[in-house]
Amino acid sequence: EPEVTQTPSHQVTQMGQEVILRCVPISNHLYFYWYRQILGQKVEFLVSFYNNEISEKSEIFDDQFSVERPDGSNFTLKIRSTKLEDSAMYFCARGSARYEQYFGPGTRLTVT
Amino acid sequence: AQRVTQPEKLLSVFKGAPVELKCNYSYSGSPELFWYVQYSRQRLQLLLRHISRESIKGFTADLNKGETSFHLKKPFAQEEDSAMYYCALSTSGTYKYIFGTGTRLKVLA
Repeated sequence: EPEVTQTPSHQVTQMGQEVILRCVPISNHLYFYWYRQILGQKVEFLVSFYNNEISEKSEIFDDQFSVERPDGSNFTLKIRSTKLEDSAMYFCARGSARYEQYFGPGTRLTVT
Repeated sequence: AQRVTQPEKLLSVFKGAPVELKCNYSYSGSPELFWYVQYSRQRLQLLLRHISRESIKGFTADLNKGETSFHLKKPFAQEEDSAMYYCALSTSGTYKYIFGTGTRLKVLA
């Protein structure tokens, strides 16, 4: 299974601050995804990204969120002004075909 | 609305006993279904996808469109099978997965 890595593994931030979560590149992957899992709840889809564009996003993915591949490699999720309810595990996933998604180990975001 | 239901939050079985983790989905079209496993503090790992009809680590899952189910089965549980198991659904015209709430499997010695 293709390895997907994420940085940082844990991020603590104060409410209102901006955070950037990163997914480390793997070649030959065209599809990128972000999911989140609030403690004790299910994994929820946030956004998918294909060909340097958002291809789909959920209701959760509001104007506070953005994604990009700034250097054509790392895939980032930015939360502009964090809220307490943004505390969760954030998973990056990558795929080389539409139905294959390989997940990273996640970033635990704690907003205080 | 599309939905995945995993009715059991926790399933405990003894080593060597059969295991069945239930997954039901709600979707009127042709689904793509997956099972992911998450061992303690590790990433979600793809275990099975229904289109490949493969058996991984002794686990199998059959799509039953009549019952809208995709239950995960293993005839003889091993202690190393203890983990969280998530069923996921992908539907036509979308890239996202819809996950169930997961079932924690505990295999007792």
